[in-house]
Amino acid sequence: GEDVEQSLFLSVREGDSSVINCTYTDSSSTYLYWYKQEPGAGLQLLTYIFSNMDMKQDQRLTVLLNKKDKHLSLRIADTQTGDSAIYFCAGISSGSARQLTFGSGTQLTVLP
Amino acid sequence: NAGVTQTPKFQVLKTGQSMTLQCAQDMNHEYMSWYRQDPGMGLRLIHYSVGAGITDQGEVPNGYNVSRSTTEDFPLRLLSAAPSQTSVYFCASRGLLYNEQFFGPGTRLTVL
Repeated sequence: GEDVEQSLFLSVREGDSSVINCTYTDSSSTYLYWYKQEPGAGLQLLTYIFSNMDMKQDQRLTVLLNKKDKHLSLRIADTQTGDSAIYFCAGISSGSARQLTFGSGTQLTVLP
Repeated sequence: NAGVTQTPKFQVLKTGQSMTLQCAQDMNHEYMSWYRQDPGMGLRLIHYSVGAGITDQGEVPNGYNVSRSTTEDFPLRLLSAAPSQTSVYFCASRGLLYNEQFFGPGTRLTVL
């Protein structure tokens, strides 16, 4: 099965770039996802990347995928206070159950 | 579309009590799942269903039952609540295009 790991905390200054990192174990993962969770809310899908892609850009968000090292990153440009939240990476395997496995989440704090 | 809805938002139980957490989706998704979220542990899969009449266990199924009599509804039952079940519970359904998961707003459960 899939195992996904993230660092727990990241602090950045407003206006700087944030980079949240994630490693995964299942090389057969077809899709990898980034979710955002604001306080007291459910998880919101931010972006995803298909396993045959190296990079995906969506406005201020850039996802990089290094399949060799099984490393996924999310870069947020010009980080704002509204970006403060918990960010989860998740992978889905190609097995019959196609389970989604989440990392433990990275708490991003944006300082003014 | 309302998306994924969950009731109640908050619940306090005494040890040994039973209750049902409700989940419904109006997107005609076949795959639905229940997760629990505990600090520093990300989301852990409790039970999932790939369609009406079909359910299966996830990573942490003990103490929970589910049923799926319709495509729309996927209730989670706690038969005899224990303090270890104090957590935030999220229901999710899965889209077909990118296998993205849509989450409900969560139920915060406290077992005394």
